[in-house]
Amino acid sequence: KAGVTQTPRYLIKTRGQQVTLSCSPISGHRSVSWYQQTPGQGLQFLFEYFSETQRNKGNFPGRFSGRQFSNSRSEMNVSTLELGDSALYLCASSLGGAGGYTFGSGTRLTVV
Amino acid sequence: QKEVEQNSGPLSVPEGAIASLNCTYSDRGSQSFFWYRQYSGKSPELIMSIYSNGDKEDGRFTAQLNKASQYVSLLIRDSQPSDSATYLCAVIRGEYGNKLVFGAGTILRVKS
Repeated sequence: KAGVTQTPRYLIKTRGQQVTLSCSPISGHRSVSWYQQTPGQGLQFLFEYFSETQRNKGNFPGRFSGRQFSNSRSEMNVSTLELGDSALYLCASSLGGAGGYTFGSGTRLTVV
Repeated sequence: QKEVEQNSGPLSVPEGAIASLNCTYSDRGSQSFFWYRQYSGKSPELIMSIYSNGDKEDGRFTAQLNKASQYVSLLIRDSQPSDSATYLCAVIRGEYGNKLVFGAGTILRVKS
């Protein structure tokens, strides 16, 4: 059974640019969550999607957005990149109930 | 007050000893509780989930939940050097559906 797949694994972007990250959940999983992980802030919740609807959103500026497609694949977009957006971005999927989430390998974003 | 609190450590234990990791949470409506293990440079891996008061054992791992005290713990028996990692406590908050909130993590070092 394939796990959660995130692409790309690494990205280097320039301040002011925008970036789109992709996540393919485990087959059958309808809930997808996104997290930002930095050494200083730990794992911070960005948003959660279920059946193409955003159910929860964390405390991030509007530059961070996401969507989920009918096949449960999800993308997140960050516009007008800032140096502080450099982080590991993790996607996690679950069946959608109160069960645990399985994480992908993450996308390491570096903003220069 | 942070939503999920953990001692950052590092917690150092000798090989073969029991490692005890603790976590407290602030939302009494929290319904699901998880322990994730994260090796340096890797994504979090779900190792235990617990939903009701009491103990849950899986191999060398035992999770303990006390909802009255808002306390979750993880015991690792016969600790091995390969258990050296950061252990993240995570909680699904009741009022926010599937928002999975993480503690900052406890660094565990098992010395051979």
